[in-house]
Amino acid sequence: DADVTQTPRNRITKTGKRIMLECSQTKGHDRMYWYRQDPGLGLRLIYYSFDVKDINKGEISDGYSVSRQAQAKFSLSLESAIPNQTALYFCATSDLKQDPFFGPGTRLTVL
Amino acid sequence: AQSVSQHNHHVILSEAASLELGCNYSYGGTVNLFWYVQYPGQHLQLLLKYFSGDPLVKGIKGFEAEFIKSKFSFNLRKPSVQWSDTAEYFCAVSNFNKFYFGSGTKLNVKP
Repeated sequence: DADVTQTPRNRITKTGKRIMLECSQTKGHDRMYWYRQDPGLGLRLIYYSFDVKDINKGEISDGYSVSRQAQAKFSLSLESAIPNQTALYFCATSDLKQDPFFGPGTRLTVL
Repeated sequence: AQSVSQHNHHVILSEAASLELGCNYSYGGTVNLFWYVQYPGQHLQLLLKYFSGDPLVKGIKGFEAEFIKSKFSFNLRKPSVQWSDTAEYFCAVSNFNKFYFGSGTKLNVKP
């Protein structure tokens, strides 16, 4: 079984819709992250969480929110999707001094 | 905040050529350094990492990187590339467990 799973893997939606991307992990890591990847821009940090009660904004949090439902689950929401949120979204987990382990990604298209 | 610069956006090489991809970062304190690879359609995978000790780090698939503190650099090298190395390569820096990624370098290896 995969250590980090993301659902859905692909999603096409319309402008203004609310979207939730889910991430779950079996690695037992405390720290979880959401990144978006855009061509030529690399990965940019949206939100991160160091434990269940800790949520922090990253570089580009506007238009996004997150929920850390449990140590193993970290969801990303787009309250009202817009076309420039079309991107590849990655969830990652890590533990102290560990490199982040990435999920398979969710490709989101906002029309 | 950290910034990570990858100056080569797209590199084209023939098989057996040597590879060097540049990475520079902005933070002057203690950092951990990483190189990730993303094969087409896949998620990021760790190639190598530097936390401390020998500044010449060896990774998987024949890759190595050298940390030069005075130059704030962590360049990736491979003596002889193969067609299967065609992928996008990302340099990343972390401090306090926040990870910052460069914009990526696409490597295209011609058979």
